Amino acid sequence: GENVEQHPSTLSVQEGDSAVIKCTYSDSASNYFPWYKQELGKRPQLIIDIRSNVGEKKDQRIAVTLNKTAKHFSLHITETQPEDSAVYFCAAPNLSNSGYALNFGKGTSLLVTP
Amino acid sequence: NAGVMQNPRHLVRRRGQEARLRCSPVKGHSHVYWYRQLPEEGLKFMVYLQKENIIDESGMPKERFSAEFPKEGPSILRIQQVVRGDSAAYFCASSLQGGGRTGTEAFFGQGTRLTVV
Repeated sequence: GENVEQHPSTLSVQEGDSAVIKCTYSDSASNYFPWYKQELGKRPQLIIDIRSNVGEKKDQRIAVTLNKTAKHFSLHITETQPEDSAVYFCAAPNLSNSGYALNFGKGTSLLVTP
Repeated sequence: NAGVMQNPRHLVRRRGQEARLRCSPVKGHSHVYWYRQLPEEGLKFMVYLQKENIIDESGMPKERFSAEFPKEGPSILRIQQVVRGDSAAYFCASSLQGGGRTGTEAFFGQGTRLTVV
């Protein structure tokens, strides 16, 4: 099945700095790459996604880039704030089966210190 | 607009008992997914259902686990004869159309935290 690798597993940055989280996927046919944010004890929530026909997408302080040739995509958070502290998950469709479910990376625990 | 509702939020079961987890999708959504999250780990896909049909159960353990999404009522994830290793957070998600490769957003519930003692 689709194998999604995510790095780093933990990331600590100072408020105002940028944070970058990277993911790789194995199936070149994958076409949809969402990022979810999960605060402690809460539900995962979609923060941004990108489709394979686009190389970059930006939404205020958050951006996602996709390199289809290298099969990796990255989440970029600029001007980080303490409320950005959470676990971030990348995902890609599980094409080995129905293709409708998502395979998630193991997550990156981001800590933004004031 | 109520989101995905899961209940109970917390469930404690003794080894050997049955656990029933419920999920009501976003109103109008007919696609439901169940994921399991172990401590310090990501979300592991278990099963994908549409109304009255199991579409993809490739992530579901072969024994003791079952899921349904009846025509009326919530989706149910059932775990029979629970063991300590079943302790985890179980999340349900729903989407308007089939998610994944269609690029349709999946909305998650708050999860059910199952503890087996």
